[in-house]
Amino acid sequence: EDQVTQSPEALRLQEGESSSLNCSYTVSGLRGLFWYRQDPGKGPEFLFTLYSAGEEKEKERLKATLTKKESFLHITAPKPEDSATYLCAVPPEGGATNKLIFGTGTLLAVQP
Amino acid sequence: DGGITQSPKYLFRKEGQNVTLSCEQNLNHDAMYWYRQDPGQGLRLIYYSQIVNDFQKGDIAEGYSVSREKKESFPLTVTSAQKNPTAFYLCASRETGDGGYTFGSGTRLTVV
Repeated sequence: EDQVTQSPEALRLQEGESSSLNCSYTVSGLRGLFWYRQDPGKGPEFLFTLYSAGEEKEKERLKATLTKKESFLHITAPKPEDSATYLCAVPPEGGATNKLIFGTGTLLAVQP
Repeated sequence: DGGITQSPKYLFRKEGQNVTLSCEQNLNHDAMYWYRQDPGQGLRLIYYSQIVNDFQKGDIAEGYSVSREKKESFPLTVTSAQKNPTAFYLCASRETGDGGYTFGSGTRLTVV
């Protein structure tokens, strides 16, 4: 069964303390890895799509990277407004790309 | 501004009742999706539709029904057959291709 595993489940950082979130997946022939940010009580907001190993994308204090079996979301000098749950998702193996399998997310809390 | 509108934001269902969650998009996206989100679990796919008048079951379709009579609209009915309907329901849409989803703001359904 295709799986997406995110770690850690929760992460507490001080403002300015950089760290990384991990997303590992079991599908072969990856056809995209998606990162989302979700604030409490709201729908996920799209951040990045990565397609091939070695690819990197950046947005403000966030940088997403991809290897053959995992992706990292690096957060540089985070601010309290970066606090949210970060979700990653991949299309299932062998099926159409119009469905996504989501991980359970990493809940990030950045304290001032 | 283009986006997805879900309504209502909060919904309460009595035992044995059917309720319908609304999802409307003005992004001109072909594909639309319904996901359910429970604490500690990843988003789980209920139903999806790639084109008007066509839809497919996702991983947890039992107790739910949908229709896609218009490109813009993809309502979800939670029937009395769904034994544990209390959850956060998310509607999403996607352009044809490998792009990411755009999510609505969600509907929180509670059984009373």
